[in-house]
Amino acid sequence: KAGVTQTPRYLIKTRGQQVTLSCSPISGHRSVSWYQQTPGQGLQFLFEYFSETQRNKGNFPGRFSGRQFSNSRSEMNVSTLELGDSALYLCASSLGRGGYNEQFFGPGTRLTVL
Amino acid sequence: AQKVTQAQTEISVVEKEDVTLDCVYETRDTTYYLFWYKQPPSGELVFLIRRNSFDEQNEISGRYSWNFQKSTSSFNFTITASQVVDSAVYFCALSSASGYALNFGKGTSLLVTP
Repeated sequence: KAGVTQTPRYLIKTRGQQVTLSCSPISGHRSVSWYQQTPGQGLQFLFEYFSETQRNKGNFPGRFSGRQFSNSRSEMNVSTLELGDSALYLCASSLGRGGYNEQFFGPGTRLTVL
Repeated sequence: AQKVTQAQTEISVVEKEDVTLDCVYETRDTTYYLFWYKQPPSGELVFLIRRNSFDEQNEISGRYSWNFQKSTSSFNFTITASQVVDSAVYFCALSSASGYALNFGKGTSLLVTP
C-alpha cells in the first residue's frame, strides 16, 4: 500500500507570494490533517479535513487555508507569505476522524520564505 | 487544555547503551490516547505506538519498550541496546477520545554514536 505522498518536497518563495501544497492520503483514508513544524514552535495542528469539509482548524491566521477533494486528496494554501511561515508542512491521513486514530504522515514539504 | 512535556531536548549515547526518553502529559480527559512517533532525518513521522488511558500495561516490541504510569502522568520510552539507526527525533503526543488533533511534545533528539 502506498504511503502518504506530498508534493512538492521543497519550495522556495519570497515574502508576499502565495503557495499551494498537495497531499495524497493512503488509499481508503478519508481524513487528512495538516501540521506545521518549526524549530521554535514544534509541531502544531493546522487543520483537519474529512469528506471534503474542514472539520477543525488550529490557531493559525486566515492566510492559511485548504481544501479536500472527493478522492480525499488535500491541498493547503498559504497566501501573503511571511518569513515566519518557513517550516516543514506535514500531512497525515487516517481512516476515520478523531485524534485517537493512528495517523500516517507523509515526508513533508519544506517551505522556505525569503 | 492538553500538554505534553519532553524535558530532554537532546540525548547522546554510545551504541549498545540503553536509553530512556521521558514524556509527561497533562489532560483533564478521562479517556485519552498517547503516542510515540519517530522522525528520522528524512522528515517523515513514523508511528511507533498508541496507548489508551485505560491500558496501563507496559509494552515491549523488540528493543523498544514503553512504560505508562497514570499516577505520574508519564509515558516513557526505552530503547535497549541502542543502534546508530535509532538516531532520530522522538515525539510523544496526546489526543483525547473526541479530539481531532495530536498535541505533540517538543521532541527529544537522540544521537547514537558507534
